[in-house]
Amino acid sequence: EADIYQTPRYLVIGTGKKITLECSQTMGHDKMYWYQQDPGMELHLIHYSYGVNSTEKGDLSSESTVSRIRTEHFPLTLESARPSHTSQYLCASSGWSGGQETQYFGPGTRLLVL
Amino acid sequence: SQKIEQNSEALNIQEGKTATLTCNYTNYSPAYLQWYRQDPGRGPVFLLLIRENEKEKRKERLKVTFDTTLKQSLFHITASQPADSATYLCALEGSARQLTFGSGTQLTVLP
Repeated sequence: EADIYQTPRYLVIGTGKKITLECSQTMGHDKMYWYQQDPGMELHLIHYSYGVNSTEKGDLSSESTVSRIRTEHFPLTLESARPSHTSQYLCASSGWSGGQETQYFGPGTRLLVL
Repeated sequence: SQKIEQNSEALNIQEGKTATLTCNYTNYSPAYLQWYRQDPGRGPVFLLLIRENEKEKRKERLKVTFDTTLKQSLFHITASQPADSATYLCALEGSARQLTFGSGTQLTVLP
């Protein structure tokens, strides 16, 4: 079981609200990622970080922002939520194990914007 | 452009049979390929990694092959069980050195 946590697991919120999705890992991994996934669809990388004070945008354009002030923490913020932001958000970190680098995913946050 | 394609149709097989899932890619030169399992409403879980110089890799009932000439990986589950029902994703490292996932194949093992 991977030591990566996301809160909240489910969030229903009104349009225009500011939200922060939390992601923490206790594995000491430098690399962390945020993916967006709609039901039955593929994962899309929206943000990643290679370490403290490093953040990059991923393949899929997103109106969200991220920060990486501590190694273990990689929160994602939406300044003004819209119905188009309704989706599942998955956080991951990657590290080396057995000579290979693999990603460990959190349980996800399912967001519904009304 | 880079593309990863997995079986577009969901796969239904009878318990005890071998399930074979396909991952084809274009415009990648991956040093390795990974397979993940995803259950509904949960994050993917890493299963296996196979490197470009490896033809085949096994882990318990799982077997992965990697043909860099055909640009294809096959993922086999032998003696399948209903508990193997899930979506299986392949993933490759892309040009930006980030892992890119296929859309996945939904497998259902019927009792």
